[in-house]
Amino acid sequence: ETGVTQSPTHLIKTRGQQVTLRCSSQSGHNTVSWYQQALGQGPQFIFQYYREEENGRGNFPPRFSGLQFPNYSSELNVNALELDDSALYLCASTLRSGTQETQYFGPGTRLLVL
Amino acid sequence: RKEVEQDPGPFNVPEGATVAFNCTYSNSASQSFFWYRQDCRKEPKLLMSVYSSGNEDGRFTAQLNRASQYISLLIRDSKLSDSATYLCVVNRYGYALNFGKGTSLLVTP
Repeated sequence: ETGVTQSPTHLIKTRGQQVTLRCSSQSGHNTVSWYQQALGQGPQFIFQYYREEENGRGNFPPRFSGLQFPNYSSELNVNALELDDSALYLCASTLRSGTQETQYFGPGTRLLVL
Repeated sequence: RKEVEQDPGPFNVPEGATVAFNCTYSNSASQSFFWYRQDCRKEPKLLMSVYSSGNEDGRFTAQLNRASQYISLLIRDSKLSDSATYLCVVNRYGYALNFGKGTSLLVTP
């Protein structure tokens, strides 16, 4: 197991609502990344946090926001949900060894927007 | 053009067959290369890193050609349990992972 956990496992929301997804990564993995995976697609990078600050963002609108906490947990918040936000949301924590980085994924949260 | 391109398949092969997946990437500054495996409705799991010299892990062999910006994965003696989607992934140190759409493999009895 990767030691990365996510909650909830499944969620159903309606358009316009707000959602908060949670992730807990391994102690010492101080970088966390969030990805969105739509059906039939590869994961798409949303943003990355390092030491509680956002340090990279993909092509997602500002209604996607996040937080990282000192205890290696993090949140992904999505406001004003749209139907196209239905996807698997993956959290990944990073282990660095020299110049090699390996990202370990949590089991994901499956979000359905109706 | 997407940064990482893969043939989506599906590849349907019998048990015991050898199957190869290919992947190309567009960013020549990419530094790290991986193959991840994703089972249906599960998270991606690291299968293996890919090095320029090529590397092998049991029945799996990965190759990287930096000049052609091409990555491959060879699976020998396919097992039913190899059925999954295989994701080609590239990144630069400190940046996000860039995933291909994945190649679907179904190994049949």
